[in-house]
Amino acid sequence: GESVGLHLPTLSVQEGDNSIINCAYSNSASDYFIWYKQESGKGPQFIIDIRSNMDKRQGQRVTVLLNKTVKHLSLQIAATQPGDSAVYFCAENLRGGADGLTFGKGTHLIIQP
Amino acid sequence: ETGVTQSPTHLIKTRGQQVTLRCSSQSGHNTVSWYQQALGQGPQFIFQYYREEENGRGNFPPRFSGLQFPNYSSELNVNALELDDSALYLCASSPGLASPPEQYFGPGTRLTVT
Repeated sequence: GESVGLHLPTLSVQEGDNSIINCAYSNSASDYFIWYKQESGKGPQFIIDIRSNMDKRQGQRVTVLLNKTVKHLSLQIAATQPGDSAVYFCAENLRGGADGLTFGKGTHLIIQP
Repeated sequence: ETGVTQSPTHLIKTRGQQVTLRCSSQSGHNTVSWYQQALGQGPQFIFQYYREEENGRGNFPPRFSGLQFPNYSSELNVNALELDDSALYLCASSPGLASPPEQYFGPGTRLTVT
């Protein structure tokens, strides 16, 4: 089975609210994690990444949290905007890239006006 | 936009046929990875090419093969197409094998097998 999974397939939030998208992983050897955003008809777009020696990383309006104790990853989006509507994937890497990225199934983020 | 381009955009093939998909990597990138994304699923890693050699492979049968050219563009070939091969095929390029593996995706090729 997949080593990366997501708790919720769909998340609906009000415009302006904060969004939190969760991800669970099962392989403790994973050393790199990435969040991608995929809009309809497009390829995945890099949002933010984090290495296993960190527990938090911030970008512009986004924060990724890594809890290695419970093998949990989350993406926080501040002040959600209509343009944030998309499917969000977490992905992990096990061996510096040669094994590729392992993706979860995705969470569809829906922004309510 | 990432600078990674793929062709064709859409393709319809019949079961048993062969198909070739193409990818041009972002300028300065010498590593290309291919992924298969079934509807409603996350992308699955097929293989990776680094400097014209296969550098890693996922759990896909040998009828999935690839090439990388001296200009680092790449092809994905699939023989003896099956209905389950219907998917979005994504190409991602990277600036090298350094860790972490920053990968930039193209828009994909939508393959339909009938």
